[in-house]
Parts: sequence; structure tokens; C-alpha cells
Amino acid sequence: EAQVTQNPRYLITVTGKKLTVTCSQNMNHEYMSWYRQDPGLGLRQIYYSMNVEVTDKGDVPEGYKVSRKEKRNFPLILESPSPNQTSLYFCASSSGTEVSPLHFGNGTRLTVT
Amino acid sequence: GDSVTQMEGPVTLSEEAFLTINCTYTATGYPSLFWYVQYPGEGLQLLLKATKADDKGSNKGFEATYRKETTSFHLEKGSVQVSDSAVYFCALTPIGGGSYIPTFGRGTSLIVHP
Repeated sequence: EAQVTQNPRYLITVTGKKLTVTCSQNMNHEYMSWYRQDPGLGLRQIYYSMNVEVTDKGDVPEGYKVSRKEKRNFPLILESPSPNQTSLYFCASSSGTEVSPLHFGNGTRLTVT
Repeated sequence: GDSVTQMEGPVTLSEEAFLTINCTYTATGYPSLFWYVQYPGEGLQLLLKATKADDKGSNKGFEATYRKETTSFHLEKGSVQVSDSAVYFCALTPIGGGSYIPTFGRGTSLIVHP
């Protein structure tokens, strides 16, 4: 089954403790992206990747890192999480054309205390 | 830059009512247009799309027509069900220029009462 898999689904952590949210897709998609969803703000793009070893900043990249060493994986790293990073995070992928829809994971709800 | 504007929600309807969720966009050229739906506790999933002017996308009883004259892509359904309660996102992907990074609207929450 074609899917985007994120882990974990829920994560509670403390300020400053490094964490990684994993994202994997099995559709051989070139394009992958991370979003955060906050009430009243919709979806905001954090980082995206057009292909292996190619990443770029989205609208809200501060406090986040990503890597794209393999085509299928695109982890999101928070080196020193802060409470303002408490949010619902989504990974998404597409085959990377103008007519290709995004495929989303089921989300990771992160709480930083 | 590109932008997508959706009507603010929540939209509250009774079962079997007619639904319209407005979406207008600003973009260079003629982008591809999408509607995504997010059910509670889930990620977004594609509902329908249209890739050129006058195209009509349809799925699960929902329809939207790509209107280049009014730069709109309004979502409609003739008779909503309780199970349609969700958040709906309008989005565009630019055409040409090598960038296919999508732009999303802020989402419209739909609540359908029995």
C-alpha cells in the first residue's frame, strides 16, 4: 500500500532535549516536505526536498533541521525544542510535478514543556 | 507571490444540505488546483483536482470547476452527510518555472449535524 509513514504519532518532551521525527515514503517520490499545523494558521511549510541531498527552507525553518540521505526518508530534527514548537507536524511527498498531488502522513503531535 | 484564500469557517450545516466552500487564488499563469480533506485525527488526503481551465474535478459527490476568469475553484456538494465533517483545504501548484511547491489556503472546517 502506498503510504507516508511518520513516527511517533505522539511525543511529549522537555525544552532542550533533542528529538527526531521520522518520515518514510514507499512511492519512490522525489519531493518531500514537512509542515506544521497550528489553530488559525493553517499549514506552514518548514523544509522541503526536491531530491536526495537537496533540501531548502520553507516559510518557518527556524529551530528545525532536515536531511535527505536516501530518497525514501526525510527526518525532521529539533536540536533544542522550545514550547513554541508545540504543534501538529505532517510529512508529505509527491512525484514532483505541477500536477502531482501531495501524499500526507498521519501526523505527529508534539508537546514541548 | 502565489496565494490561496478560502472562506473562514466553521461552516455548519444540517445533513442533506447543499455545500459551497469558496476558494480564490492569485498566481502567475494557470496553476494546478487541488482540494484536500482532513478528517479528525488524520493527515490531509487528496479530494479532487483540476489541472487546466474549465476542468471539473469530482470525487465522493464533491465537485469543483477551475474558473480562470474569476480565479476560483469553489467546492460544492449537493447533499452533505455527517461523515463529511472535516477540514477542507484548497491548494495550488504553480506551472512552469521549475517550482512545484504547493501553496495552501488556511482550511475551512465543516460541521454537519444529523
